[in-house]
Formats: sequence, C-alpha cells, structure tokens
Amino acid sequence: KNEVEQSPQNLTAQEGEFITINCSYSVGISALHWLQQHPGGGIVSLFMLSSGKKKHGRLIATINIQEKHSSLHITASHPRDSAVYICAVSNYQLIWGAGTKLIIKP
Amino acid sequence: ETGVTQTPRHLVMGMTNKKSLKCEQHLGHNAMYWYKQSAKKPLELMFVYNFKEQTENNSVPSRFSPECPNSSHLFLHLHTLQPEDSALYLCASSQAVQGSGNTIYFGEGSWLTVV
Repeated sequence: KNEVEQSPQNLTAQEGEFITINCSYSVGISALHWLQQHPGGGIVSLFMLSSGKKKHGRLIATINIQEKHSSLHITASHPRDSAVYICAVSNYQLIWGAGTKLIIKP
Repeated sequence: ETGVTQTPRHLVMGMTNKKSLKCEQHLGHNAMYWYKQSAKKPLELMFVYNFKEQTENNSVPSRFSPECPNSSHLFLHLHTLQPEDSALYLCASSQAVQGSGNTIYFGEGSWLTVV
C-alpha cells in the first residue's frame, strides 16, 4: 500500500461542476502539498498546508490532520482546469501520490 | 514561468549516445532535485543536491550521472541508456531540502525517448 493515496484516479465532469479530489496518507507529516501538472509536463505548486483550509481563486484545499486526509476542491470548474492534480506530503522527504487526472468537458 | 528552466524540452537518443539535460534556477534556492516521471506512476526522486553537495542518490543506475557545478545549475548526464529509461525528467528546486515543508518549484521537464 502506498503511503499517499489519491482518489479518484480519473475524473471527468461537465463545465461548472464542483470538483473534489481526495488524498489520504499514512505517515506523520510536516506539510501537505497540492500540485497541478498540465499535459505539457510542467508542475506548478498550488497549495502547501499543515492545518485547516486555504483558498486561492476557485481552488480550496483542506486538511484534517487527525484523519490524515486532505481534499482539493474546484468550484465552477472550467475546461482549462483539465490537468493532473498531485498530492505530496513532507516528512523527512516528499512522498508523492500517483495523481488524479481531471477532464472538464465544455 | 516557475523560475526553473530545463533544456532541452525534448530529446531522442540512441542507446549508445551520450547526452545531457540542463536545469537552471534563479530563485536563490539551495536545494535542487532530479525526478523521473514514467506513465501512470508517481514521481520518482533520483538525486538531491543541497548547497551543491549530493545528499541523496535514490539507487539510480550509474548510466545517469548528475553534476551540480553551483547552486543555480544542475545537469543530468546520460549514457548507454535503455528504452525503459524513456520518461519525463523533471528538475525542481526549493529553499531548503524537501521534508522541511518548503514549496517546491518545478521546471517544464525534459521528455526523453531512448531508441
């Protein structure tokens, strides 16, 4: 079993839908990261959080340390949100999830 | 634009060739990394450099040889690669080594195909 599990692996939704991507981990962490990877390959950091909730535009990330679980939400989804969303956790190194491939259809 | 630049973006090489991937960051970061990303697999850490010194080699075959001449530049020298080494190679940097909770910045990646 991987130390960082993401679900779902793949998600297809219609434009405008509310999107939730989940990340569960089994190790102690100092921080959790959400990143976005577009088809061209580059990866962009979206959030780094260690407690509570962060919001940036239409993106919201939450973390529950006791339950070792984080969610990434996208409100009013748009086709340009189509990408792979990756969760990673920091302990003595970064441990990566396998990613969630999101496709938003117009 | 993340501040981390990788070249080339695409590389096709034969199994007997020698080539190099280059990474440059002007963010003032002290830690730099090479990652390998194969299809449908999590990112695999290959090498970590902290203040130009290699601090981690994640059991990477010797046909991959990293070089860090200064804290802004990182190279990955490639020789006698195998077709299974075809992947996206990502360079990244952070203020301090990963695990310390610093944001990590990635380059656009170098798509490598070994024929």
